[in-house]
Amino acid sequence: NAGVTQTPKFQVLKTGQSMTLQCAQDMNHEYMSWYRQDPGMGLRLIHYSVGAGITDQGEVPNGYNVSRSTTEDFPLRLLSAAPSQTSVYFCATSQGAGRDEQYFGPGTRLTVT
Amino acid sequence: RKEVEQDPGPFNVPEGATVAFNCTYSNSASQSFFWYRQDCRKEPKLLMSVYSSGNEDGRFTAQLNRASQYISLLIRDSKLSDSATYLCVVNMLTGANNLFFGTGTRLTVIP
Repeated sequence: NAGVTQTPKFQVLKTGQSMTLQCAQDMNHEYMSWYRQDPGMGLRLIHYSVGAGITDQGEVPNGYNVSRSTTEDFPLRLLSAAPSQTSVYFCATSQGAGRDEQYFGPGTRLTVT
Repeated sequence: RKEVEQDPGPFNVPEGATVAFNCTYSNSASQSFFWYRQDCRKEPKLLMSVYSSGNEDGRFTAQLNRASQYISLLIRDSKLSDSATYLCVVNMLTGANNLFFGTGTRLTVIP
């Protein structure tokens, strides 16, 4: 039972490049979300999904796309990387939205040069 | 005003000390409250939920004060292994996008 997995762990991109951060869970949770964590700021919600086929924007969605074709996977796509997207990205899952414990993946450290 | 505010610290305390963190939140309709622990370069993990009546888990006690809109975390008999960043998290029930995280309070327990 792996819980929540994220790949890659580290990534360096050049400005303008695109990439996909992978997130997978084997907990059969409906709710999945992507956060970014920057120094001096709390985790901020990028996008979330309440179930397969349903996604919505969070607080800071610009520059990111998501899709949810299965319960298990919730990839985050950076369309054209910018230095402002340098951050640590966490995927999280929970039984429900908000009231329940959030289970986080180990994170992806992204640097955009 | 931030939705959730915490003193970032750092708090440097000797082993065995008692330390308390506070966190304030902006939305009086908030329903659920949590403390998460985040070790350096790791993901956050749930430490404990905070209930209206207050709750205790071993050396950790969490309190909620709805009138003043703050929650607290008390750690007694601090251990070296308690060194981490403690995140205050509030569910504000403004739709599915309803979890707000504080910036965290960093604790270092010194031998």
